[in-house]
Amino acid sequence: EAGVVQSPRYKIIEKKQPVAFWCNPISGHNTLYWYLQNLGQGPELLIRYENEEAVDDSQLPKDRFSAERLKGVDSTLKIQPAELGDSAVYLCASSPSGGGYEQFFGPGTRLTVL
Amino acid sequence: KNQVEQSPQSLIILEGKNCTLQCNYTVSPFSNLRWYKQDTGRGPVSLTIMTFSENTKSNGRYTATLDADTKQSSLHITASQLSDSASYICVVKTWDDKIIFGKGTRLHILP
Repeated sequence: EAGVVQSPRYKIIEKKQPVAFWCNPISGHNTLYWYLQNLGQGPELLIRYENEEAVDDSQLPKDRFSAERLKGVDSTLKIQPAELGDSAVYLCASSPSGGGYEQFFGPGTRLTVL
Repeated sequence: KNQVEQSPQSLIILEGKNCTLQCNYTVSPFSNLRWYKQDTGRGPVSLTIMTFSENTKSNGRYTATLDADTKQSSLHITASQLSDSASYICVVKTWDDKIIFGKGTRLHILP
């Protein structure tokens, strides 16, 4: 069974440019998470979806970040415009349902903003 | 404020030795605690999960303990191997589905 798929794995952009990350969760997993992870830190939740509904986006910087999961399967996270401080690893995770199950993480997208 | 504190921040040991990583939490209402292993360049992978009533749980050479009274957990690694070099992250979940991550302990195993 395929795990959580993320693309691209690496992205280098100049500041003020837009960037998008894509995540395809494990088949059948209703819950999808986007996290930001800085070097030497634990993941920080950006947004959590239950199917197509964003149930927790309180930590998402909505002035520049947006996310969608239109059909309740794959998801896209966008930053526009990117800032130097956005350089980090963006992790996607999925779980069967709700928050009580193990989260399965993708390999992440490493973003570098120059 | 819900917090998860891990210590030490980093640890270096020789291959074959044992080590113990610590996790202290101030999270309420507590539901469960997981330890994740994160290899460099990879996403975290769950090692163990412990609920309020569980004191010890093992997964091969990994043994996690939980003291719900003192709100402390530990992860003990026995007979370390080079492949154990990774970050180990303690994650606590609340009953209202909040998930709080620690910053992790970076473990280096030397041959």
